[in-house]
Amino acid sequence: ILNVEQSPQSLHVQEGDSTNFTCSFPSSNFYALHWYRWETAKSPEALFVMTLNGDEKKKGRISATLNTKEGYSYLYIKGSQPEDSATYLCAFNAGGTSYGKLTFGQGTILTVHP
Amino acid sequence: EAEVAQSPRYKITEKSQAVAFWCDPISGHATLYWYRQILGQGPELLVQFQDESVVDDSQLPKDRFSAERLKGVDSTLKIQPAELGDSAMYLCASSLELGTDTQYFGPGTRLTVL
Repeated sequence: ILNVEQSPQSLHVQEGDSTNFTCSFPSSNFYALHWYRWETAKSPEALFVMTLNGDEKKKGRISATLNTKEGYSYLYIKGSQPEDSATYLCAFNAGGTSYGKLTFGQGTILTVHP
Repeated sequence: EAEVAQSPRYKITEKSQAVAFWCDPISGHATLYWYRQILGQGPELLVQFQDESVVDDSQLPKDRFSAERLKGVDSTLKIQPAELGDSAMYLCASSLELGTDTQYFGPGTRLTVL
């Protein structure tokens, strides 16, 4: 059973604060790491797919880094806005016989207060 | 923008009843996934289709759950009989192909079993 852990479980920040969360995953049999944002009553939205050690990806005020050797990824949000409030999920793809199968962490719930 | 459609959005049923969920993936997407998300946990893969064939159903409780994708397009997930522990969000996702492709999610069906 693959273990994908996210921390913290929940986070409250003020508008304008920058924040970051962590996703830990197995460092062996790595194929890809996905980040999703899931707002209440909406579909989970894909943010990034990361495949290479040292990868850095950016989308607006959100960025992510990847370290496959030590098994972690960070998601950063710069200047948080209330509309950033959502659950942020990471998902690990081990490849091999699990090709395409995503194992999700439990998510980090972010609340941005005006 | 193309989206994954799911219905119903909400379903309340009594235990021992049968329920069915429907998913229509993004046109042209060969791979379809059904996930279950229990409150406080990350989504867990139940079944994965490549066209009309099941690729992975190792986590599907086959004594009560069934899934089909007869023509390789839309899909139905059925539970019979429903149990209290089946209360969860059922998410459908699709991707162009297996592998590192981004999985695009529908809004989910929230099932409550009384």
